[in-house]
Amino acid sequence: GAVVSQHPSRVICKSGTSVKIECRSLDFQATTMFWYRQFPKQSLMLMATSNEGSKATYEQGVEKDKFLINHASLTLSTLTVTSAHPEDSSFYICSAKLGDTQYFGPGTRLTVL
Amino acid sequence: GENVEQHPSTLSVQEGDSAVIKCTYSDSASNYFPWYKQELGKGPQLIIDIRSNVGEKKDQRIAVTLNKTAKHFSLHITETQPEDSAVYFCAASGDNDMRFGAGTRLTVKP
Repeated sequence: GAVVSQHPSRVICKSGTSVKIECRSLDFQATTMFWYRQFPKQSLMLMATSNEGSKATYEQGVEKDKFLINHASLTLSTLTVTSAHPEDSSFYICSAKLGDTQYFGPGTRLTVL
Repeated sequence: GENVEQHPSTLSVQEGDSAVIKCTYSDSASNYFPWYKQELGKGPQLIIDIRSNVGEKKDQRIAVTLNKTAKHFSLHITETQPEDSAVYFCAASGDNDMRFGAGTRLTVKP
């Protein structure tokens, strides 16, 4: 139980394009999902908290107009990186909250050329 | 807000030995402490967790201890195996968001 999927697992895009990443809780409903960014050999950096049916809460320093989050259902949250640039290249990981626990997706490796 | 510190940042042990990773937290209101294992290129996987009403929890070769007074908790892995090699993250949460430690890269040498 408590499985979270992410799609795609890897994406390569050109600078200036937008990329959408999906996060799904497969066997439970999640009112709250989280989006993290992880640089090589570093810890998880929380970008935003996604609440079903309401606006996401962004961490300080994270541009909400650049990283668009939509949580339209209890099993799906999406992160759209708009006008991507090479500095946005990173490993993006989502998690879904069940009770106290966060269950993580497998991550999405984004490379912006 | 909550601040979680994790030590050591890297740990190398011989197969069969034990490994201990320690974390401290700052917010006395935190009451839930999970541990995650992250293998290269994958998302973190929950391996064990403990709540503040318990001092110790064990699951086969993995155990976690919690000292609420001192605000620290530890992960213990016994009889380590090469497949235990990964990055381990501790975390602490209460009413607010979960905060993670910086991670410990564990290497188990065969």
